[in-house]
Amino acid sequence: GAVVSQHPSWVICKSGTSVKIECRSLDFQATTMFWYRQFPKQSLMLMATSNEGSKATYEQGVEKDKFLINHASLTLSTLTVTSAHPEDSSFYICSAWTSGGAAYNEQFFGPGTRLTVL
Amino acid sequence: GENVEQHPSTLSVQEGDSAVIKCTYSDSASNYFPWYKQELGKRPQLIIDIRSNVGEKKDQRIAVTLNKTAKHFSLHITETQPEDSAVYFCAAKYKAAGNKLTFGGGTRVLVKP
Repeated sequence: GAVVSQHPSWVICKSGTSVKIECRSLDFQATTMFWYRQFPKQSLMLMATSNEGSKATYEQGVEKDKFLINHASLTLSTLTVTSAHPEDSSFYICSAWTSGGAAYNEQFFGPGTRLTVL
Repeated sequence: GENVEQHPSTLSVQEGDSAVIKCTYSDSASNYFPWYKQELGKRPQLIIDIRSNVGEKKDQRIAVTLNKTAKHFSLHITETQPEDSAVYFCAAKYKAAGNKLTFGGGTRVLVKP
């Protein structure tokens, strides 16, 4: 089946620093990828839709200048958490539809990145 | 936009019994309803899904039913086993919203041996 990878799997950083998370589709091309954030014992909350070759679409309440998204190729999207603070500590998960968003395909998730901001 | 509600939030069952989780959605244009299983610290894994042109789908011990009129869908797990213990999420896709999935709040299922 389709595979989505993420790197790193976990990261610990100091408050005020920036952290970049990579999301790759390994065996298919994804014109659209999604970034979610999941706090402990909560559901997945969509942060933004990453669009290859164009600007990301952010959900209401998500600061686009704080969560920078770049979708430079059909297999790679990156999320940069800028000037991270302890409240940004969370589990960040990316996902992609197979075949780039066709109506009847599955959405596969990456393994997630655990971010801890000290 | 789409809103998905999921009940119950926690479910404890005896091994061998059945578990049922229900979700309701708000947008009648939603056309795809997946169910994900998430173990602690891991990614959500698709366990079953159903399209809006189907009323029921079954895969071994897992089944999903969809009632478009009432705008609700349910996950049924029969003959539960301890390895079924996890958090289960339902979701709905509204194509006009850019193929985004809206997730329910999750159900923590505990299967007691």
